[in-house]
Amino acid sequence: EVQLVQSGGALIQPGGSLRLSCAASGFTVSTSYLHWVRRAPGNGLEWVSSIFSGGHTFYADFVKGRFTISRDNTRNTLYLQMNGLRADDTAIYYCAREDWQDWGQGTMVTVSS
Amino acid sequence: QAGLTQPPSVSKDLRQTATLTCTGNSNNVGHQGAAWLQLHQGHPPKLLFDRGNNRPSGISERISASRSGDTASLTITGLQPEDESDYYCSAWDSTLNAWVFGGGTKLIVL
Repeated sequence: EVQLVQSGGALIQPGGSLRLSCAASGFTVSTSYLHWVRRAPGNGLEWVSSIFSGGHTFYADFVKGRFTISRDNTRNTLYLQMNGLRADDTAIYYCAREDWQDWGQGTMVTVSS
Repeated sequence: QAGLTQPPSVSKDLRQTATLTCTGNSNNVGHQGAAWLQLHQGHPPKLLFDRGNNRPSGISERISASRSGDTASLTITGLQPEDESDYYCSAWDSTLNAWVFGGGTKLIVL
């Protein structure tokens, strides 16, 4: 059974950094197409970043230079390193797999002083 | 990145048919189709149809998906109270090299 278990969400001050984790089971992250998507309060779904099985990465314009997607094949885990956090980054962050087949439970990131 | 266009809300009576639309362009929906997701408050999104219009196991056969040109559609027949939810479409934009989402449609079952 495929599972994506997320962790790392927190209340963080503007300008701070946070790393989100998405631990995978039932499949191998190194051969999968993986994504981060977020939903800000009162807003819709918003794509953040993706990593292809070959390692190519793509980012939404609003996170370029601030966020980094990566994976640890030995831990079978996907990460999102978030630096320079702003108030408008406040959202529930979800990891997802392939063509949106499977999703993590979501983790809340709140950026506030 | 520019998003896909979905009507903010659709209201239909119980047991009627609702068709939700998602309009993009030739670089996204018209290129590789759109996936459809259902989002219930407090739960992660659930895939209803992938970009190839394939229905995952466990998704009701009352729900179908189609595409015509740059517009994708999701049709739900015999509406039930549990169908009341938010529905999102998503497509890969080959020019932007980015996933784009629609703003979501709130389906209200009267």
